[in-house]
Amino acid sequence: GNSVTQMEGPVTLSEEAFLTINCTYTATGYPSLFWYVQYPGEGLQLLLKATKADDKGSNKGFEATYRKETTSFHLEKGSVQVSDSAVYFCALKFTGGGNKLTFGTGTQLKVEL
Amino acid sequence: DTEVTQTPKHLVMGMTNKKSLKCEQHMGHRAMYWYKQKAKKPPELMFVYSYEKLSINESVPSRFSPECPNSSLLNLHLHALQPEDSALYLCASSPGDGTDTQYFGPGTRLTVL
Repeated sequence: GNSVTQMEGPVTLSEEAFLTINCTYTATGYPSLFWYVQYPGEGLQLLLKATKADDKGSNKGFEATYRKETTSFHLEKGSVQVSDSAVYFCALKFTGGGNKLTFGTGTQLKVEL
Repeated sequence: DTEVTQTPKHLVMGMTNKKSLKCEQHMGHRAMYWYKQKAKKPPELMFVYSYEKLSINESVPSRFSPECPNSSLLNLHLHALQPEDSALYLCASSPGDGTDTQYFGPGTRLTVL
Protein backbone atom coordinates (compact mmCIF):
# COMPACT_ATOMS: atom_id res chain seq x y z
CA GLY A 1 0.00 0.00 0.00
CA ASN A 2 0.89 3.66 -0.04
CA SER A 3 2.92 5.10 2.82
CA VAL A 4 4.92 8.17 3.77
CA THR A 5 7.97 8.14 6.03
CA GLN A 6 9.24 11.29 7.69
CA MET A 7 12.28 11.88 9.84
CA GLU A 8 11.69 11.67 13.57
CA GLY A 9 11.46 14.86 15.52
CA PRO A 10 11.69 17.12 17.28
CA VAL A 11 14.19 18.98 15.16
CA THR A 12 15.73 21.88 17.05
CA LEU A 13 17.58 24.62 15.15
CA SER A 14 18.95 28.05 15.83
CA GLU A 15 17.43 30.97 13.98
CA GLU A 16 18.90 31.45 10.48
CA ALA A 17 20.02 27.81 10.29
CA PHE A 18 19.40 25.65 7.22
CA LEU A 19 16.46 23.27 7.46
CA THR A 20 15.95 19.87 5.87
CA ILE A 21 13.08 17.59 6.80
CA ASN A 22 13.29 14.28 4.99
CA CYS A 23 10.26 12.64 3.43
CA THR A 24 10.19 9.45 1.39
CA TYR A 25 7.21 7.60 0.05
CA THR A 26 6.12 4.20 -1.13
CA ALA A 27 3.44 4.14 -3.78
CA THR A 28 2.43 2.32 -6.91
CA GLY A 29 2.29 4.92 -9.63
CA TYR A 30 2.92 8.64 -9.46
CA PRO A 31 1.13 10.47 -6.68
CA SER A 32 0.85 14.16 -5.98
CA LEU A 33 2.97 15.21 -3.01
CA PHE A 34 2.25 17.83 -0.38
CA TRP A 35 3.75 19.52 2.64
CA TYR A 36 1.34 20.82 5.25
CA VAL A 37 2.28 22.87 8.32
CA GLN A 38 0.42 22.96 11.62
CA TYR A 39 1.15 25.77 14.04
CA PRO A 40 0.34 25.20 17.72
CA GLY A 41 -3.39 25.11 18.36
CA GLU A 42 -4.31 25.48 14.70
CA GLY A 43 -5.43 23.43 11.71
CA LEU A 44 -3.27 22.34 8.81
CA GLN A 45 -2.12 24.83 6.20
CA LEU A 46 -0.98 23.81 2.76
CA LEU A 47 2.66 24.84 2.49
CA LEU A 48 3.54 23.58 -0.98
CA LYS A 49 2.85 20.81 -3.44
CA ALA A 50 4.19 19.05 -6.53
CA THR A 51 2.17 16.95 -8.92
CA LYS A 52 4.77 15.29 -11.14
CA ALA A 53 8.38 14.20 -11.17
CA ASP A 54 11.01 16.98 -11.03
CA ASP A 55 8.40 19.58 -10.08
CA LYS A 56 9.57 21.97 -7.38
CA GLY A 57 7.03 23.38 -4.97
CA SER A 58 7.90 26.56 -3.12
CA ASN A 59 6.27 28.95 -0.68
CA LYS A 60 7.42 31.33 2.07
CA GLY A 61 11.07 30.40 1.49
CA PHE A 62 10.37 26.65 1.74
CA GLU A 63 11.10 24.35 -1.19
CA ALA A 64 10.68 20.68 -2.02
CA THR A 65 11.45 18.80 -5.24
CA TYR A 66 9.56 15.70 -6.37
CA ARG A 67 12.29 13.08 -6.93
CA LYS A 68 10.87 9.98 -8.58
CA GLU A 69 14.20 8.14 -8.68
CA THR A 70 14.63 8.36 -4.90
CA THR A 71 10.88 8.53 -4.10
CA SER A 72 11.55 11.57 -1.97
CA PHE A 73 10.10 15.02 -1.34
CA HIS A 74 12.44 16.61 1.20
CA LEU A 75 11.47 20.00 2.64
CA GLU A 76 14.19 22.67 2.78
CA LYS A 77 14.52 26.27 3.89
CA GLY A 78 17.70 28.29 3.74
CA SER A 79 17.21 30.35 6.91
CA VAL A 80 14.60 29.44 9.49
CA GLN A 81 12.89 31.86 11.84
CA VAL A 82 11.38 31.37 15.28
CA SER A 83 7.97 31.77 13.62
CA ASP A 84 8.61 28.61 11.59
CA SER A 85 8.27 26.51 14.74
CA ALA A 86 5.46 24.08 13.97
CA VAL A 87 4.72 20.49 12.99
CA TYR A 88 5.32 19.66 9.34
CA PHE A 89 3.41 16.84 7.60
CA CYS A 90 4.39 15.25 4.31
CA ALA A 91 1.48 13.68 2.42
CA LEU A 92 0.69 11.98 -0.85
CA LYS A 93 -2.44 11.56 -2.89
CA PHE A 94 -3.41 9.84 -6.09
CA THR A 95 -5.60 11.77 -8.46
CA GLY A 96 -9.01 10.21 -8.34
CA GLY A 97 -7.87 7.83 -5.60
CA GLY A 98 -10.95 8.39 -3.48
CA ASN A 99 -9.58 11.83 -2.52
CA LYS A 100 -7.58 10.18 0.24
CA LEU A 101 -4.47 11.82 1.63
CA THR A 102 -1.83 9.56 3.14
CA PHE A 103 0.10 11.47 5.81
CA GLY A 104 3.48 10.92 7.34
CA THR A 105 3.76 10.97 11.12
CA GLY A 106 4.77 14.64 11.23
CA THR A 107 8.01 16.31 12.24
CA GLN A 108 8.07 18.93 14.97
CA LEU A 109 10.42 21.83 14.32
CA LYS A 110 11.58 24.10 17.11
CA VAL A 111 13.57 27.20 16.20
CA GLU A 112 15.39 29.00 18.99
CA LEU A 113 16.99 32.44 19.14
CA ASP B 1 -9.77 32.98 -0.84
CA THR B 2 -8.80 29.55 0.46
CA GLU B 3 -10.67 29.71 3.74
CA VAL B 4 -12.53 26.92 5.46
CA THR B 5 -14.29 27.98 8.65
CA GLN B 6 -15.30 25.76 11.56
CA THR B 7 -17.50 26.37 14.56
CA PRO B 8 -17.28 26.11 17.45
CA LYS B 9 -13.57 26.48 18.13
CA HIS B 10 -13.86 24.56 21.39
CA LEU B 11 -16.56 22.18 22.63
CA VAL B 12 -16.93 20.36 25.93
CA MET B 13 -19.67 17.77 26.16
CA GLY B 14 -20.84 14.98 28.39
CA MET B 15 -21.26 11.43 27.19
CA THR B 16 -25.04 11.77 27.03
CA ASN B 17 -25.10 15.06 25.13
CA LYS B 18 -25.92 15.68 21.49
CA LYS B 19 -23.91 18.34 19.73
CA SER B 20 -22.94 19.31 16.22
CA LEU B 21 -19.81 20.63 14.55
CA LYS B 22 -20.15 22.92 11.57
CA CYS B 23 -17.88 23.54 8.60
CA GLU B 24 -18.31 26.04 5.79
CA GLN B 25 -16.44 26.95 2.62
CA HIS B 26 -17.23 29.45 -0.13
CA MET B 27 -14.60 28.41 -2.64
CA GLY B 28 -17.01 26.45 -4.82
CA HIS B 29 -15.36 23.20 -3.79
CA ARG B 30 -17.37 20.04 -4.38
CA ALA B 31 -15.59 17.68 -2.01
CA MET B 32 -15.57 18.04 1.78
CA TYR B 33 -13.92 15.96 4.47
CA TRP B 34 -13.95 15.28 8.19
CA TYR B 35 -10.72 14.26 9.94
CA LYS B 36 -9.94 13.39 13.54
CA GLN B 37 -6.55 14.31 14.95
CA LYS B 38 -5.19 13.11 18.27
CA ALA B 39 -2.27 14.87 19.92
CA LYS B 40 1.08 14.41 18.19
CA LYS B 41 -0.48 12.31 15.42
CA PRO B 42 -1.39 13.01 11.80
CA PRO B 43 -5.05 13.54 10.88
CA GLU B 44 -7.15 10.42 10.31
CA LEU B 45 -9.80 10.52 7.62
CA MET B 46 -13.36 9.91 8.83
CA PHE B 47 -15.73 10.88 6.00
CA VAL B 48 -15.65 12.25 2.47
CA TYR B 49 -18.52 13.95 0.69
CA SER B 50 -18.30 14.39 -3.05
CA TYR B 51 -20.95 16.48 -4.79
CA GLU B 52 -23.01 16.36 -1.58
CA LYS B 53 -23.05 12.58 -1.44
CA LEU B 54 -21.19 10.49 1.10
CA SER B 55 -18.45 8.73 -0.84
CA ILE B 56 -16.17 7.46 1.93
CA ASN B 57 -16.89 6.34 5.49
CA GLU B 58 -13.75 5.02 7.11
CA SER B 59 -15.65 2.61 9.37
CA VAL B 60 -16.47 5.40 11.80
CA PRO B 61 -18.71 4.50 14.77
CA SER B 62 -22.36 5.46 14.35
CA ARG B 63 -22.14 7.93 17.24
CA PHE B 64 -20.60 10.22 14.59
CA SER B 65 -23.12 11.20 11.92
CA PRO B 66 -22.10 13.44 9.02
CA GLU B 67 -24.45 15.62 7.01
CA CYS B 68 -23.92 17.74 3.93
CA PRO B 69 -26.95 20.06 3.55
CA ASN B 70 -25.47 21.80 0.50
CA SER B 71 -22.19 22.14 -1.33
CA SER B 72 -20.89 24.81 1.07
CA LEU B 73 -21.80 23.23 4.39
CA LEU B 74 -20.72 20.12 6.25
CA ASN B 75 -21.93 19.10 9.68
CA LEU B 76 -20.82 16.40 12.07
CA HIS B 77 -23.48 15.34 14.55
CA LEU B 78 -22.22 13.87 17.80
CA HIS B 79 -24.17 11.63 20.18
CA ALA B 80 -23.19 9.38 23.07
CA LEU B 81 -19.50 10.02 22.62
CA GLN B 82 -16.77 8.45 24.72
CA PRO B 83 -13.85 10.20 26.43
CA GLU B 84 -11.50 8.63 23.86
CA ASP B 85 -13.31 10.65 21.19
CA SER B 86 -11.71 13.79 22.58
CA ALA B 87 -9.57 15.20 19.79
CA LEU B 88 -9.18 17.99 17.26
CA TYR B 89 -11.77 17.60 14.50
CA LEU B 90 -10.67 19.07 11.21
CA CYS B 91 -12.75 19.86 8.18
CA ALA B 92 -11.24 20.18 4.72
CA SER B 93 -12.45 20.87 1.21
CA SER B 94 -11.08 20.38 -2.28
CA PRO B 95 -12.22 21.36 -5.77
CA GLY B 96 -13.35 17.85 -6.63
CA ASP B 97 -12.12 18.26 -10.18
CA GLY B 98 -9.23 15.81 -9.99
CA THR B 99 -6.60 18.30 -8.79
CA ASP B 100 -7.90 17.75 -5.30
CA THR B 101 -5.61 19.84 -3.16
CA GLN B 102 -7.26 19.82 0.24
CA TYR B 103 -7.62 22.99 2.28
CA PHE B 104 -8.14 22.62 5.99
CA GLY B 105 -10.09 24.61 8.53
CA PRO B 106 -8.74 25.59 11.96
CA GLY B 107 -10.50 22.70 13.69
CA THR B 108 -12.80 22.18 16.65
CA ARG B 109 -11.15 21.07 19.87
CA LEU B 110 -13.57 18.54 21.39
CA THR B 111 -13.41 17.35 24.99
CA VAL B 112 -15.75 14.56 26.11
CA LEU B 113 -16.18 14.30 29.86
